Amino acid sequence: GQNIDQPTEMTATEGAIVQINCTYQTSGFNGLFWYQQHAGEAPTFLSYNVLDGLEEKGRFSSFLSRSKGYSYLLLKELQMKDSASYLCAVTTRSNDYKLSFGAGTTVTVRA
Amino acid sequence: GAGVSQSPSNKVTEKGKDVELRCDPISGHTALYWYRQSLGQGLEFLIYFQGNSAPDKSGLPSDRFSAERTGGSVSTLTIQRTQQEDSAVYLCASSLTRGALRNEQFFGPGTRLTVL
Repeated sequence: GQNIDQPTEMTATEGAIVQINCTYQTSGFNGLFWYQQHAGEAPTFLSYNVLDGLEEKGRFSSFLSRSKGYSYLLLKELQMKDSASYLCAVTTRSNDYKLSFGAGTTVTVRA
Repeated sequence: GAGVSQSPSNKVTEKGKDVELRCDPISGHTALYWYRQSLGQGLEFLIYFQGNSAPDKSGLPSDRFSAERTGGSVSTLTIQRTQQEDSAVYLCASSLTRGALRNEQFFGPGTRLTVL
């Protein structure tokens, strides 16, 4: 199976930057997803990385290093509405339909 | 357009009872998934449907759990003889197809199941 680790909690100040790390161990890596989940709501897609490098989308960026089994999600210019859980998930070539999730990182943004 | 919907949003049941959870995927999505989210844990894969067939049921925790999908659309997850450890949020997701390089899954709001 996949071993996916991310920090449990992070706190940051409004307007600041936060970086959420995710490490994984898997064979046949086929892509890494980041989802955002507000309390009591459905997870929503943020980003997808399959090649090494940085993908930028507005205030959010996601980075992947396949050789290191490492990804991070960077949230810039934090807003109060960014307080949520951020879920890292990977897929493999043999099970390209199945998302294997980490436990999620709860980010709290303080004024 | 409509997203993935699930019903009921909350279900409280007594230990030993059977429950049925429903999922309506996004129209035209051929792939459907069930996940379970327990407190403090990541989403746990339960089952995957492609059309009406379930090629992967490997995540179902026990034979008390079953799921079906009809008409390539609505899916029902059934838990028989519920136990307290079944308490969790059950999330359904759908995607356009399987095998795309970026197989973005769209999630429903979940059903919160509490077994007393």
